[in-house]
Amino acid sequence: DAMVIQNPRYQVTQFGKPVTLSCSQTLNHNVMYWYQQKSSQAPKLLFHYYDKDFNNEADTPDNFQSRRPNTSFCFLDIRSPGLGDAAMYLCATSRDLTSGEADTQYFGPGTRLTVL
Amino acid sequence: RKEVEQDPGPFNVPEGATVAFNCTYSNSASQSFFWYRQDCRKEPKLLMSVYSSGNEDGRFTAQLNRASQYISLLIRDSKLSDSATYLCVVFMGRRALTFGSGTRLQVQP
Repeated sequence: DAMVIQNPRYQVTQFGKPVTLSCSQTLNHNVMYWYQQKSSQAPKLLFHYYDKDFNNEADTPDNFQSRRPNTSFCFLDIRSPGLGDAAMYLCATSRDLTSGEADTQYFGPGTRLTVL
Repeated sequence: RKEVEQDPGPFNVPEGATVAFNCTYSNSASQSFFWYRQDCRKEPKLLMSVYSSGNEDGRFTAQLNRASQYISLLIRDSKLSDSATYLCVVFMGRRALTFGSGTRLQVQP
């Protein structure tokens, strides 16, 4: 059974048209992450939530926002997508950040965003 | 300098070969280390954690050298199904994982 679900799997949007990607999890994990991965590059962390505590990476553009209305769901909003935002967006979860060691991250299948 | 560096490859090896990948990290305070596997156009999946004492899981062996700040992954008796990109991943504490850009492995019949 899928534990981290992302919808849609493929999203096409127009330059400048807002888009929302969604992620849900059945693991009841405290932490949810959003990564951006471009072709042949490492996944790049955009932000993460520890419960409701939002943590933005310093170099994440303001164009990217996130919401976590409850434990199970997390959304990535791209307010005005540019051509450079075309990428795979990966959602991941883990149990806890406070243990001193990293817990395993479980990734969703990703949403591939195309910007026309 | 990148926080986590890997040789991008590709490594092209025949079935049955032994292949090794290295990865270096820049932050000496890094706490935990992992190898993830990513198939083409799929999400990363945890392959194994890397411990100071080294660890083995079947055909896969991971080693950590804190003094030199590198980790390695050894794959013995390569299978066609091992073809993938192998991501070196480092946890530096109080933030999420930092990924290398991956080493691509292509096992050929």
